[in-house]
Amino acid sequence: EVQLVESGGGLVHYGGSLRLSCEASGFAFSNFAMTWVRQAPGKGLEWVSSLSGTGGSTYYADSVKGRFTISRDNSKNTLYLQMHSLRPEDTAVYYCAKVVMPGPPNWFDPWGQGTLVTVSS
Amino acid sequence: DIQMTQSPSSLSASVGDRVTITCRASQGISNYLAWYQQKPGKVPKLLIYTASTLQPGVPSRFSGSGFGTDFTLTISSLQPEDVATYYCQKYNSVPLTFGGGTKVEIK
Repeated sequence: EVQLVESGGGLVHYGGSLRLSCEASGFAFSNFAMTWVRQAPGKGLEWVSSLSGTGGSTYYADSVKGRFTISRDNSKNTLYLQMHSLRPEDTAVYYCAKVVMPGPPNWFDPWGQGTLVTVSS
Repeated sequence: DIQMTQSPSSLSASVGDRVTITCRASQGISNYLAWYQQKPGKVPKLLIYTASTLQPGVPSRFSGSGFGTDFTLTISSLQPEDVATYYCQKYNSVPLTFGGGTKVEIK
């Protein structure tokens, strides 16, 4: 069974930094691209970033480009999201998800349970 | 960037009703579209990909159609367990934009 478990969320002040982790199991992690999607309280889904299986290709939403860095350690089956210069509008539940098909990022399944990031002003 | 617009933003229907949700892309995206269901307090779940392919395990009352700019998600006979917010997502290119969501409730 594929499992994705996020961690690292919490309360951080405006301008602070945080690193999220997503530990994967139940599939050949290095063979699949991965993604982060966030959901602000009471709002819809927002794609944040994706990363190829090798880590060689990265993709970012304009809203986080230059502040967030996606990476992975395939030896640890773990995906990361390093977040800097955090703003109140970054407050959200952050989900990691597996990209289903090889190639450029496409659709996502399954999703982890999410980790809450709260940025105070 | 291509915008994804869902309509309606919410709807209320009776059990057994046929429900249709629309997703419109501001430019053509071929069939590079997925649909997700998010039940209250739960994690999003994949329903449909490539606009019309049902994810294994998803009930057959769900179906998707469309190509280019106009897409629909249809629930042929609404059930109480279908109460959720539904999102479309395009993936022809980055950014991988989601629609704003459609909240489905039981009347």
